[in-house]
Amino acid sequence: AQTVTQSQPEMSVQEAETVTLSCTYDTSENNYYLFWYKQPPSRQMILVIRQEAYKQQNATENRFSVNFQKAAKSFSLKISDSQLGDTAMYFCALTQGNLIFGKGTKLSVKP
Amino acid sequence: AAGVIQSPRHLIKEKRETATLKCYPIPRHDTVYWYQQGPGQDPQFLISFYEKMQSDKGSIPDRFSAQQFSDYHSELNMSSLELGDSALYFCASSLGSSWGAGEKLFFGSGTQLSVL
Repeated sequence: AQTVTQSQPEMSVQEAETVTLSCTYDTSENNYYLFWYKQPPSRQMILVIRQEAYKQQNATENRFSVNFQKAAKSFSLKISDSQLGDTAMYFCALTQGNLIFGKGTKLSVKP
Repeated sequence: AAGVIQSPRHLIKEKRETATLKCYPIPRHDTVYWYQQGPGQDPQFLISFYEKMQSDKGSIPDRFSAQQFSDYHSELNMSSLELGDSALYFCASSLGSSWGAGEKLFFGSGTQLSVL
């Protein structure tokens, strides 16, 4: 069975600094996709970044980048130059026909 | 750009009542997914539809049913509501049955259901 594990229930970072959120997963599939979703207090689910497992190059979206280690089944999210608006719950997710979510990491950006 | 529309935004029901949640996908999107997110929990997959046919089923209780209509909108029908059904219900849409190929999933703002 596919599983997604986020081992950091909560994290905090100072504004303008860099923070890394961890995610590990398990799947027997060879081709799959990984995602990070952001859920701010409004509870809207917002796609942050997507990684295709068959691509070795790490995905980047502006201040957001991932460190994808396929052999280790690790998919961490790095947020650079953290902003107050980055405060949210962050979910790591894996495709299995539908999305399988991790339990989430609550990120607080402090001024 | 048009997004996924869910209605109502908030719904309050009594135990044992019924509720119907509606989802209007992004235009041209033919695949709809329903997720349930309890307080402080991660979203749990309930059910999905592709081209008006059920494509996958998750942890959806037997008291719930859903369908996708000819205009691709979907409705989640919930009967004999229980206190534990109180949650945020998300609908999401994507284009094509190739979700496993990594098509982006777009979420609506959710319907907050409170069962009293």
